[in-house]
Amino acid sequence: SQTIHQWPATLVQPVGSPLSLECTVEGTSNPNLYWYRQAAGRGLQLLFYSVGIGQISSEVPQNLSASRPQDRQFILSSKKLLLSDSGFYLCAWSVSLYEQYFGPGTRLTVT
Amino acid sequence: GENVEQHPSTLSVQEGDSAVIKCTYSDSASNYFPWYKQELGKGPQLIIDIRSNVGEKKDQRIAVTLNKTAKHFSLHITETQPEDSAVYFCAATREGSARQLTFGSGTQLTVLP
Repeated sequence: SQTIHQWPATLVQPVGSPLSLECTVEGTSNPNLYWYRQAAGRGLQLLFYSVGIGQISSEVPQNLSASRPQDRQFILSSKKLLLSDSGFYLCAWSVSLYEQYFGPGTRLTVT
Repeated sequence: GENVEQHPSTLSVQEGDSAVIKCTYSDSASNYFPWYKQELGKGPQLIIDIRSNVGEKKDQRIAVTLNKTAKHFSLHITETQPEDSAVYFCAATREGSARQLTFGSGTQLTVLP
């Protein structure tokens, strides 16, 4: 069966520091991969999606970037964090044209 | 682009009663509508979905209905239980290479014992 992992689970970073969040999927090949952000008490906002290695599409202009160095690995990065980057970051995968499955998320607090 | 509106934002029901959450979408080309349940501190869990060629789908105590003409869809939970308490999100998407989902703003459901 398929499994999605995200780490770290929680992260506290100062403003201006770099960021690297990792997501990996097991048990499937060539998935579509997604990064979402969820602000406190709000809905999910799609940040990036990828349909293959090295293929990244951005939905929202910001100081975040994403990379997909391997088929089942998706990384969210920032060179300098802002206070507004705080939130719950969720990775999701899909292999069909329909269902998307989410990981456990990373809670990021920028101080 | 797609816009999904979800109501109500909060809903409290007595255990055993039914709960209904409604969503409307703007893009008539949208053809897939999933519902997610999110417990505190966890990632959303896909609980049921419906495609545009179907008007209703049921899975035990949960059901989803779709009205393509009016562009709205609803989640129905019957015989609610305390463990149904969570935030529920609807979403919509259309044909595309990556199937980007557009989410509603969520409904906090509280089932009172």
